[in-house]
Amino acid sequence: AQSVTQLDSQVPVFEEAPVELRCNYSSSVSVYLFWYVQYPNQGLQLLLKYLSGSTLVKGINGFEAEFNKSQTSFHLRKPSVHISDTAEYFCAVRDTGTASKLTFGTGTRLQVTL
Amino acid sequence: IAGITQAPTSQILAAGRRMTLRCTQDMRHNAMYWYRQDLGLGLRLIHYSNTAGTTGKGEVPDGYSVSRANTDDFPLTLASAVPSQTSVYFCASSESSNSPLHFGNGTRLTVT
Repeated sequence: AQSVTQLDSQVPVFEEAPVELRCNYSSSVSVYLFWYVQYPNQGLQLLLKYLSGSTLVKGINGFEAEFNKSQTSFHLRKPSVHISDTAEYFCAVRDTGTASKLTFGTGTRLQVTL
Repeated sequence: IAGITQAPTSQILAAGRRMTLRCTQDMRHNAMYWYRQDLGLGLRLIHYSNTAGTTGKGEVPDGYSVSRANTDDFPLTLASAVPSQTSVYFCASSESSNSPLHFGNGTRLTVT
């Protein structure tokens, strides 16, 4: 079974500053990795995904993430954040087996201020 | 606009009462899911369905039941609600069990 750890429950950052949201996973087999974003009173939206191939994955809204197999990490980054990036961000993992289901981390609240 | 519709948006329910949360998708996705979201716990899978006519248990299935009579609908039933079922419930779907999930806007349920 897989698991996900998001160590930072909240990340405050000033507008136009860079940000990194950390995600570490645990699995005994190969995995697919995802980042979802949740704006207030809404469902989750897919930000980006890693299925295979290049370990650097680019998503919507200028976000990117890098899959690091040796460190079992999939950290999310953005070089310059905007106020509108304020939201909850969830990392998720699933094993590549067809019977596996998606497991979410506990989320990181990104708070962007002026 | 194609997507997932959840109803009701919010509900206050007395303990012991029966409640069905509705979920409908118009994307013809094969797989559907129910998650609950609780502060500090993230999203936890309650039940899922890989295709119409089949269902499976997720991480926290106790106290909940689902059915999948057709591709579009995936209702979640609480037979006898308890306060610990106070949560925000999200329905999701995916084209296949390997595809990314699309989420509804959630149902906020309070059990008193």
